[in-house]
Amino acid sequence: GAGVSQTPSNKVTEKGKYVELRCDPISGHTALYWYRQSLGQGPEFLIYFQGTGAADDSGLPNDRFFAVRPEGSVSTLKIQRTERGDSAVYLCASSLDGGRTDTQYFGPGTRLTVL
Amino acid sequence: AQSVTQLDSQVPVFEEAPVELRCNYSSSVSVYLFWYVQYPNQGLQLLLKYLSGSTLVKGINGFEAEFNKSQTSFHLRKPSVHISDTAEYFCAVSDRGTDKLIFGTGTRLQVFP
Repeated sequence: GAGVSQTPSNKVTEKGKYVELRCDPISGHTALYWYRQSLGQGPEFLIYFQGTGAADDSGLPNDRFFAVRPEGSVSTLKIQRTERGDSAVYLCASSLDGGRTDTQYFGPGTRLTVL
Repeated sequence: AQSVTQLDSQVPVFEEAPVELRCNYSSSVSVYLFWYVQYPNQGLQLLLKYLSGSTLVKGINGFEAEFNKSQTSFHLRKPSVHISDTAEYFCAVSDRGTDKLIFGTGTRLQVFP
């Protein structure tokens, strides 16, 4: 079956611009996660959705970052007034139920470059 | 808060040799541990996970890991590596009370012919 997909695969933008990154989870998965992976680092947690609601947004670095999942499936990560420090690979993962023992399945990521 | 330390940023090894990738975590209270592999231009893929029970966990592609509570370690091993095992390997812990994963900084395994 289809895995987690993310679009676009690459995004280049200019400092100060607004960007949206999209994630399509595995069908039937109720839990969805966003992580950010900077060069040479492991993925860092941003936000976790259970269904339509954000169950944990403690990893969002500031109020320029926002994510939605209005119908409990596709999610969009939105970044306002982008900064060069936002350049990273943004990873999306989904899991069946969202429990601590549940396997998270990752998408290929969106590489964001802010010039 | 939980943290994960991967002691080696790079591990070079010849094909068919054994390998061990080291991982230590910060707390021994109710942890769940994971190893993920990231091949070039691909997403993270689960290799194996420890939830409870036997401390020796077997995963895909011939990898295994041993949970050691007293040493707070979860080292990954393979008795004989292949060229195709060249990739980045990440150790992760499931944070108590939440469902997010906390990752180490990764170990790049480079297998030479």
